Amino acid sequence: TQLLEQSPQFLSIQEGENLTVYCNSSSVFSSLQWYRQEPGEGPVLLVTVVTGGEVKKLKRLTFQFGDARKDSSLHITAAQPGDTGLYLCAGENSGYALNFGKGTSLLVTP
Amino acid sequence: GAGVSQSPSNKVTEKGKDVELRCDPISGHTALYWYRQSLGQGLEFLIYFQGNSAPDKSGLPSDRFSAERTGGSVSTLTIQRTQQEDSAVYLCASSEPGLHQYFGPGTRLTVL
Repeated sequence: TQLLEQSPQFLSIQEGENLTVYCNSSSVFSSLQWYRQEPGEGPVLLVTVVTGGEVKKLKRLTFQFGDARKDSSLHITAAQPGDTGLYLCAGENSGYALNFGKGTSLLVTP
Repeated sequence: GAGVSQSPSNKVTEKGKDVELRCDPISGHTALYWYRQSLGQGLEFLIYFQGNSAPDKSGLPSDRFSAERTGGSVSTLTIQRTQQEDSAVYLCASSEPGLHQYFGPGTRLTVL
């Protein structure tokens, strides 16, 4: 099993603040995915990054894949209460099974 | 269209009993996955089905766990002689081969 470490584990911020979540591994992945999960629901895919150094933007969310394809970050600008949830990163190598980190639980208060 | 559905949404059982969890994948998705999400842990891969190929069972934690997929569609995850450490949310996902996985809402299993 290739381990993915996510940090921080918990994050509580006020609306309007910026934040960054990190996903690190000692292993190289073919691709890395970020999901958001809300209570009582399954994870929902936000983005997939494939190329080392790749940066993808999704509105106020910016995702970066490390040059060596071992780590990734998620930056949220001007967080809103609707961003509250569990953010999971998952690495893929086998073509199907995903290796998930433990997640970062984000709470954004008005 | 309809997403992945799972039933029951919640299941409470007594230690030692058997349980069956059901997953209905998105129509046309040939790949189906089961994961387990325990408190404070990430999602743990359990088993993968792809079409008529033999499933990848490498993630099943013990021989008390088994899964079937009938007719290339519905899947059932069975846990025999449940233990308290089996308490978790069991998530099912489906996809077209090589494409991203769509997750169901999960079944929350509590073993007393």
